Amino acid sequence: AIQLTQSPSSLSASIGDRVTITCRASQGIASALAWYQQIPGRPPKVLIYAASSLGSGVPTRFSGSGSGTDFTLSISSLQPEDFATYFCQQFNSYPITFGGGTKIEIK
Amino acid sequence: QVQLIESGGGVVQPGGSLRLSCAASGFTFSSYGIHWVRQAPGRGLEWVAFIRYDGQKKDYADSVRGRFTISRDNSQNTLYLQMNSLRVEDTAVYYCVMREVVDYAFDIWGQGTMVTVSS
Repeated sequence: AIQLTQSPSSLSASIGDRVTITCRASQGIASALAWYQQIPGRPPKVLIYAASSLGSGVPTRFSGSGSGTDFTLSISSLQPEDFATYFCQQFNSYPITFGGGTKIEIK
Repeated sequence: QVQLIESGGGVVQPGGSLRLSCAASGFTFSSYGIHWVRQAPGRGLEWVAFIRYDGQKKDYADSVRGRFTISRDNSQNTLYLQMNSLRVEDTAVYYCVMREVVDYAFDIWGQGTMVTVSS
């Protein structure tokens, strides 16, 4: 199974900060990667699909990049509603796998 | 409006069984593959199983293979997950999810149903 390693596992940041989360795949997955945001008690919501395409209704401060084994999710200017947990997911091959998550907390 | 609504969760003893359902609406159910994904309390996400639009192809995570069975009834727009030989580590919120319009992501999620395996 393809393993996805997310880093950091948590971070503290302030409103307006630029934040970057990385996801590394144990083998190449082309661009078959998604990023999700999850607020406690709610199902995940897709932010980015196919590594760099913005999901429907997702603010443009979110962006994704990368291909192969190394990917990043960036938030250009952190807003109060962005304090949540973020997961990456690979869709290249079964079993579909997820990263361990990154929790963004208020500094 | 595309919707997936799970039901059937509850508390069961180790070794017991449970069947989850996922009622679909707002789209042509028989045209889409559907997955189950679970999330243990305070933990990350784990893909569980997949069934093709026609029910002819299925796949499972190693952790549930041989114990769980995914199925669907396209005439009733419903997805199922039969869970047997349940273990404490199967305790989780179970989501039915699908890829509707985007590539390489689940863009439709149900609200989830909680399964607790405990003696």
